[in-house]
Amino acid sequence: DSGVTQTPKHLITATGQRVTLRCSPRSGDLSVYWYQQSLDQGLQFLIQYYNGEERAKGNILERFSAQQFPDLHSELNLSSLELGDSALYFCASSSRGPRGEQFFGPGTRLTVL
Amino acid sequence: GQQVMQIPQYQHVQEGEDFTTYCNSSTTLSNIQWYKQRPGGHPVFLIQLVKSGEVKKQKRLTFQFGEAKKNSSLHITATQTTDVGTYFCAGPPLGAGGTSYGKLTFGQGTILTVHP
Repeated sequence: DSGVTQTPKHLITATGQRVTLRCSPRSGDLSVYWYQQSLDQGLQFLIQYYNGEERAKGNILERFSAQQFPDLHSELNLSSLELGDSALYFCASSSRGPRGEQFFGPGTRLTVL
Repeated sequence: GQQVMQIPQYQHVQEGEDFTTYCNSSTTLSNIQWYKQRPGGHPVFLIQLVKSGEVKKQKRLTFQFGEAKKNSSLHITATQTTDVGTYFCAGPPLGAGGTSYGKLTFGQGTILTVHP
């Protein structure tokens, strides 16, 4: 158990819908990262937040947005969903930014039908 | 942008054989991290290398960071069925700042299968 929690574990929805994925980092970790993992794309970095502020952005689509709240939990919002958005979405947290190890949550498996 | 490539993409070995995966970055890295993801699981941190030419060992696993800090390797001696999974390397570019500060670029991983 990494100490990072993600909900829900599974999510099945239809194209065009909007969903919210939630992540709670390890106690004390200020950095939260979101990744997308699909079969043919590997682990793709989406976005990082540090203590409530956006710090780094990867190839995150404009239909996707995220935020980190004062209690440090984070939410990833995916809207106007397409079939290609079906993937595993991981949240990770760290205490030292990119110079330290990241602890991954169990992931949310999103299926868009 | 920064690219991290790993080879091979797949590796099938008999239990007891050795295994090596190689990682190459298009840019100099601040550090290299290795993660293992078991089937159906999430990535788990294995190790971080920071210094040029650094070599670290964890039991049967040996990790190396290249002199130019652009490549790395993971070698497993005498594989066991518990070694099954996908091995990822990842690293932030050296001197990353601004909107790239937190960006950890992952290789596409090497999927290791061990036949008993």
